[in-house]
Amino acid sequence: GAVVSQHPSRVICKSGTSVKIECRSLDFQATTMFWYRQFPKQSLMLMATSNEGSKATYEQGVEKDKFLINHASLTLSTLTVTSAHPEDSSFYICSASEISTAGGNEKLFFGSGTQLSVL
Amino acid sequence: GQNIDQPTEMTATEGAIVQINCTYQTSGFNGLFWYQQHAGEAPTFLSYNVLDGLEEKGRFSSFLSRSKGYSYLLLKELQMKDSASYLCAVRDLSEAAGNKLTFGGGTRVLVKP
Repeated sequence: GAVVSQHPSRVICKSGTSVKIECRSLDFQATTMFWYRQFPKQSLMLMATSNEGSKATYEQGVEKDKFLINHASLTLSTLTVTSAHPEDSSFYICSASEISTAGGNEKLFFGSGTQLSVL
Repeated sequence: GQNIDQPTEMTATEGAIVQINCTYQTSGFNGLFWYQQHAGEAPTFLSYNVLDGLEEKGRFSSFLSRSKGYSYLLLKELQMKDSASYLCAVRDLSEAAGNKLTFGGGTRVLVKP
């Protein structure tokens, strides 16, 4: 099955620093990738939709200048948390789907997630 | 927008059956997914329903009623390893081209011996 690789799996950083998270589709091309955030014992909240070659689409309430998304190729999307603060500590997960035609039962394949802890 | 509701927690005994309900409201339904997620791990795909009825896959089955905006995930012959969160997710027709899913809050299932 399709594999999505995400790293790092865990990062601890000081407040004010920036953190970059990578998401790669290993054996398929993903024109669209999604970035989710998950707080403890809560579900996935979509942050943004990453489109290859164009600007990302952010969900309401998500600061685009704080969460920078770059989707430079069909297999790589990055999320950069700029000037991270303790409230940004969360589990960040990317996902991608192998889409040939829209609207079918294309499964979302998830990366393994990144646990960010900001001190 | 979409509104997806599922119970927060459920407890069941090993070997038993548990049914996790999910209700949703969407302007244009185009598919419902169930995912399993163990703590600290990524969600894994369990099932997909777009037409009314029951989809069976081994010990797991998923049912959909579009007219009622209702789905359930049925877990049979529960095993200890089934202790996890189960996420209901809905795809809206207007967002089908991007395969964007909206997730419910998740149901934590605890299987006891």
